Amino acid sequence: SQQGEEDPQALSIQEGENATMNCSYKTSINNLQWYRQNSGRGLVHLILIRSNEREKHSGRLRVTLDTSKKSSSLLITASRAADTASYFCATRGGSNYKLTFGKGTLLTVNP
Amino acid sequence: EAGVAQSPRYKIIEKRQSVAFWCNPISGHATLYWYQQILGQGPKLLIQFQNNGVVDDSQLPKDRFSAERLKGVDSTLKIQPAKLEDSAVYLCASSFLAGGSETQYFGPGTRLLVL
Repeated sequence: SQQGEEDPQALSIQEGENATMNCSYKTSINNLQWYRQNSGRGLVHLILIRSNEREKHSGRLRVTLDTSKKSSSLLITASRAADTASYFCATRGGSNYKLTFGKGTLLTVNP
Repeated sequence: EAGVAQSPRYKIIEKRQSVAFWCNPISGHATLYWYQQILGQGPKLLIQFQNNGVVDDSQLPKDRFSAERLKGVDSTLKIQPAKLEDSAVYLCASSFLAGGSETQYFGPGTRLLVL
């Protein structure tokens, strides 16, 4: 079953704009991770945020986590055409490092 | 460092036939995962190995799917017999799981079409 639900399902923006994607989940988690998937490079890990963290940055990426609302957001600033991809949130709840992925947000960045 | 290798990249078979996929994880990664990704959905974990042992296979359809990881390195995933609904991309991933690192590294996947 899918734990995370990304919103929106699809997002189209112009190069240079910011893109925000949201993820909601149902059960308590140990951490939440964001992955990117495009046809050229497959599925790639972007960032991990632990349940006791509220915000994390990595380059042009900013992730927030609100465990009281069971939600996370991924912000990509100053987007580029190369950011065009599907973005997935994945949650880890137990001790066996199993990840449960959402359905993803398809981001299109137009040049 | 070399990434996760998978083969074949594409496979077309008819229903009721059997098929096998191979995965070679990143050297030194003790944990190996097989995921199924149906078009338009996120990856779904089928089975997780820690070295030779199975950690989680709760979502593996065991009546038709099997997987093994001999010697704790390479792994094969088999489907026998295949059904139309098995058409998907099968992703292999590996992780080190030491020093707090939980990053999973994914291979390019095998795209399976069952006719």
